[in-house]
Amino acid sequence: QVQLQESGPGLVKPSETMSLTCSVSSGSISGHYWAWIRQTPGKGLEWMGYIFYSGRTTYNPSLKSRAALSVDRSQNQVSLTLTSVTAADTAVYYCARHFCSGTNCYQDVWGQGTTVTVS
Amino acid sequence: DIQMTQSPSSLSVSVGDRVTISCRTSQSVGSYLNWYQQKPGQAPKVLIYGASNLQNGVPSRFSGSGSGTEFTLTISGLQPEDFAIYYCQQNYIFPDTFGLGTKLEIK
Repeated sequence: QVQLQESGPGLVKPSETMSLTCSVSSGSISGHYWAWIRQTPGKGLEWMGYIFYSGRTTYNPSLKSRAALSVDRSQNQVSLTLTSVTAADTAVYYCARHFCSGTNCYQDVWGQGTTVTVS
Repeated sequence: DIQMTQSPSSLSVSVGDRVTISCRTSQSVGSYLNWYQQKPGQAPKVLIYGASNLQNGVPSRFSGSGSGTEFTLTISGLQPEDFAIYYCQQNYIFPDTFGLGTKLEIK
């Protein structure tokens, strides 16, 4: 069963750029979409975007072009970069495999999540 | 964005109970509605996709129904491991959106 593990700095200063990495093991990133979802006590779960293994991306417009996703197929990793962070970006960040059964799509495998605090 | 309204926000229930959780969407999403379970300190886990399809490995006591704007997750015969927060998610209209969750608590 494919496993995902997020990593990155736990603390980021306001206005800076944060970068998170999702390492995929026991499976390949090839052929799949990979999503990032964050969770805050106030807003709940927010779908941030996803990237196809080829590099094609789709972002939630709410992020106002601050987010960028990338893939490193040689490392079997997916990365999220978020610029100009504020306290509102404090959240648990999850990477997940975005799976589609026909036209029904959902996140079927999740990492354990990594907490990022902006302060 | 499509707004997702779950009810109730919390529910006190007992082992063995039949539980029904509702999710309403601000516009029709057809059958493009998923349900997730989240336990403390863990990531969400998909239970139901496409409104009524049981994800592989999920116990059959979980079932989903509905279409359009009204959806239901039912747990028939609540087990101790089912005390968790349940979320609905629509993936019909971009961007995907989630409900705020329904927390099942022990009565």
